[in-house]
Amino acid sequence: GAGVSQTPSNKVTEKGKYVELRCDPISGHTALYWYRQSLGQGPEFLIYFQGTGAADDSGLPNDRFFAVRPEGSVSTLKIQRTERGDSAVYLCASSWDKNTEAFFGQGTRLTVV
Amino acid sequence: AQSVTQPDIHITVSEGASLELRCNYSYGATPYLFWYVQSPGQGLQLLLKYFSGDTLVQGIKGFEAEFKRSQSSFNLRKPSVHWSDAAEYFCAAHPYNFNKFYFGSGTKLNVKP
Repeated sequence: GAGVSQTPSNKVTEKGKYVELRCDPISGHTALYWYRQSLGQGPEFLIYFQGTGAADDSGLPNDRFFAVRPEGSVSTLKIQRTERGDSAVYLCASSWDKNTEAFFGQGTRLTVV
Repeated sequence: AQSVTQPDIHITVSEGASLELRCNYSYGATPYLFWYVQSPGQGLQLLLKYFSGDTLVQGIKGFEAEFKRSQSSFNLRKPSVHWSDAAEYFCAAHPYNFNKFYFGSGTKLNVKP
């Protein structure tokens, strides 16, 4: 596709459930980022992939969060045992490499009830 | 610690008036610098970027930004604001070869008719 695609656009889940958020980056982009944006705040870094490997996962808040990018294209952010505090917009971005501009998807709004 | 500061949380300007949004960064060396715009419920759209060279950079939608090394600033400007410019604006910095972008907390722009 022409841009970064994220699905679903909205996700409501019950506390304690498991969720998966998907990101389809711009074709050919090797760098992929996940960010989290809480209401009224700027995006906060979660994880960076270069190709298939997670080159930097220092932003993941705890071990309930995990992300994969098995073929170096689509990435999935996985959250186990969701908590109400996980409610936020999860943004994915991709770029040619980490020293070029990143293009963001529309985000997935996660609501944990 | 690396940081990006946007001192103005909200700004209101009249349609047709000029606009300047402030951004300061704190890093050891000049990072790559970006401005993104976010409309309600949308992802981040890249307005402009600075990597090196000419310190005045032009972007989309009539925006420009000026990099001032002495002030560690990268302020966004527009000579004449349109009602459609109402949105939230984020400044971001990416130190060379780092694995992440650092975002400011955003400035919400309101445009009065």
